[in-house]
Amino acid sequence: ILNVEQSPQSLHVQEGDSTNFTCSFPSSNFYALHWYRWETAKSPEALFVMTLNGDEKKKGRISATLNTKEGYSYLYIKGSQPEDSATYLCAFTGNTPLVFGKGTRLSVIA
Amino acid sequence: DGGITQSPKYLFRKEGQNVTLSCEQNLNHDAMYWYRQDPGQGLRLIYYSQIVNDFQKGDIAEGYSVSREKKESFPLTVTSAQKNPTAFYLCASRLTGVLNEQFFGPGTRLTVL
Repeated sequence: ILNVEQSPQSLHVQEGDSTNFTCSFPSSNFYALHWYRWETAKSPEALFVMTLNGDEKKKGRISATLNTKEGYSYLYIKGSQPEDSATYLCAFTGNTPLVFGKGTRLSVIA
Repeated sequence: DGGITQSPKYLFRKEGQNVTLSCEQNLNHDAMYWYRQDPGQGLRLIYYSQIVNDFQKGDIAEGYSVSREKKESFPLTVTSAQKNPTAFYLCASRLTGVLNEQFFGPGTRLTVL
């Protein structure tokens, strides 16, 4: 079974703080890395799908980077807001069904 | 509106009974997936189907069964052989291809009494 690790498990930040978390995945047979945001009482929603080493994607205040050679991706949130509070999941695929990490639970305190 | 529906949202069953969880999508997606989430765990893949009339076991298929008779529907049966069925179940779908994002239903929380 492929292993996808996310850290930290949970994070509490003050409104306005910038934050980042990590996703580690197997560096061999890499096809794509997905990031999802899962808010309480809602369904997970896709943030980014990344495939190229060195790729950086941005959506508003959220951005992500990808290093396929060493097997990690960072998700950054600039100026966190209470509405950013959610669990952030990453998922790896090597032309297989997505393998999800356990997620990072972010709480932004106003 | 296009999307994935799962019903019911909450389900209670007595131990030893089989129960079927519904998943329907109108996104015209080929691939559909069933996941289970337990406290402190990530999403674990139960079964998936990439085409009608075909499906494969995921990492934790024991005690579950599925069917894919129609493109839109991928029901999951939790059988009495599943030793610890109480969990949150998520259905998902996507277009075939690793670059395509996955869409999720709202989930069903199953409690076996």
